[in-house]
Amino acid sequence: NAGVMQNPRHLVRRRGQEARLRCSPMKGHSHVYWYRQLPEEGLKFMVYLQKENIIDESGMPKERFSAEFPKEGPSILRIQQVVRGDSAAYFCASSSAGNQPQHFGDGTRLSIL
Amino acid sequence: QKEVEQDPGPLSVPEGAIVSLNCTYSNSAFQYFMWYRQYSRKGPELLMYTYSSGNKEDGRFTAQVDKSSKYISLFIRDSQPSDSATYLCAMITGGSQGNLIFGKGTKLSVKP
Repeated sequence: NAGVMQNPRHLVRRRGQEARLRCSPMKGHSHVYWYRQLPEEGLKFMVYLQKENIIDESGMPKERFSAEFPKEGPSILRIQQVVRGDSAAYFCASSSAGNQPQHFGDGTRLSIL
Repeated sequence: QKEVEQDPGPLSVPEGAIVSLNCTYSNSAFQYFMWYRQYSRKGPELLMYTYSSGNKEDGRFTAQVDKSSKYISLFIRDSQPSDSATYLCAMITGGSQGNLIFGKGTKLSVKP
C-alpha cells in the first residue's frame, strides 16, 4: 500500500550543480503536483503535471527549474545551477483527478553548500 | 492581504482539551477546503476534505466551513499528545487545475 514515494530524502549539492528530485505517485494516481516549503513559510505550489503534460507551471521560477512526468517512470523536478536560495523542502503530491484530494510524500530536503 | 491567513501559534493545550484551529481567506472562488497534519520532517497528511459550507465529522475531528464569512475551522476533541504537530489549512477554487493555497500552519503541542 505504497503512498507517494520521493527520493532522495536528503540531497546536498554545491552551488552551480544540478539537483534532480524524483516522485512516484500513489498507485492509480496520474496527477502529480510539486510544492516547495521554505523555513517558516507555508507550502507554495510550483507545478502540476499529468503523464507527459504540464498542466500548470504558474508557480515555477522562470529560469533553472523544470519538471517532467514521462509516460514511464517517476516525475522529475530538476534544478539547474543551484543557488543557496534553493535550499528548501520539496514535496510531491498526487491525486486521482484534478480537484480530488492531494496526498503528499515525505519530501526531499535540499541543502546547498 | 494574503489569500489565506492562519495564526502560526504555537498553541499549547493539556491532554483531553478541545482544540480549535482556524483560517480565514479572501478569495470567494475557493470551493474545496482541506486540513492537513504535518509532523516534523514528514509530509502533510490529509485529515479532512470538505466542499460545502457546514460541518464534517471524522472521529475526533470536525471540520467547519462558513463561506459567507470566509472562515474555516478544525476542532479536535479529546486531544492527545500524538496530536502534537503543525496543522495546515488548504483550499482550491473549483476551476483550478490543482493549485492548492496553503496557510502557514499552526503548531500545536498537547501536554500530557
